Amino acid sequence: DAGVTQSPTHLIKTRGQQVTLRCSPKSGHDTVSWYQQALGQGPQFIFQYYEEEERQRGNFPDRFSGHQFPNYSSELNVNALLLGDSALYLCASSLGGTGRNQPQHFGDGTRLSIL
Amino acid sequence: DQQVKQNSPSLSVQEGRISILNCDYTNSMFDYFLWYKKYPAEGPTFLISISSIKDKNEDGRFTVFLNKSAKHLSLHIVPSQPGDSAVYFCAASAGGGTSYGKLTFGQGTILTVHP
Repeated sequence: DAGVTQSPTHLIKTRGQQVTLRCSPKSGHDTVSWYQQALGQGPQFIFQYYEEEERQRGNFPDRFSGHQFPNYSSELNVNALLLGDSALYLCASSLGGTGRNQPQHFGDGTRLSIL
Repeated sequence: DQQVKQNSPSLSVQEGRISILNCDYTNSMFDYFLWYKKYPAEGPTFLISISSIKDKNEDGRFTVFLNKSAKHLSLHIVPSQPGDSAVYFCAASAGGGTSYGKLTFGQGTILTVHP
């Protein structure tokens, strides 16, 4: 039973560039959430996708955008990269809809470094 | 505004003893609480959760207690093992009993279990 997989593992970019991170959810999950984790902090919610639509969004600028595909996989895009975007980007999947509370399961993340 | 706080950055415990990790929250709308464990270079791993309609949930060596009036939850690990050494994150959601809800995380507590 494959868990949440993210690619790439590490990425180095320069200021002003654009980046795309990818996530495949755990088998059977239909909801994908993205988080940013700075060093020494807890993960911060970026947005959540369900049924190919952005369902909820955290306090991140429009430079952060995403997409969910019909197979439930997802992409996170960040434009005009800033030094402050350097962080671990985590993808989490869960079983969404209106069912009872279900935990989110995380991938191992993509470490993004901006030079 | 830190809605979920873990006030102890670190905790050191002897193997076989009890580990107690604490978490406080301020948002009264939170109704689902989770604990995650994180090893270096890995994503957070789900440990245990509790709904606001309960005050205790147990799973093997892990027990979570919720005190809604104090807006406080704790994770007890008994007995503690060296493999439990990791960063522990408390998280909360205001999904209204559904899985529709972003997770708000605390800053984490580093647990070290000495043999």
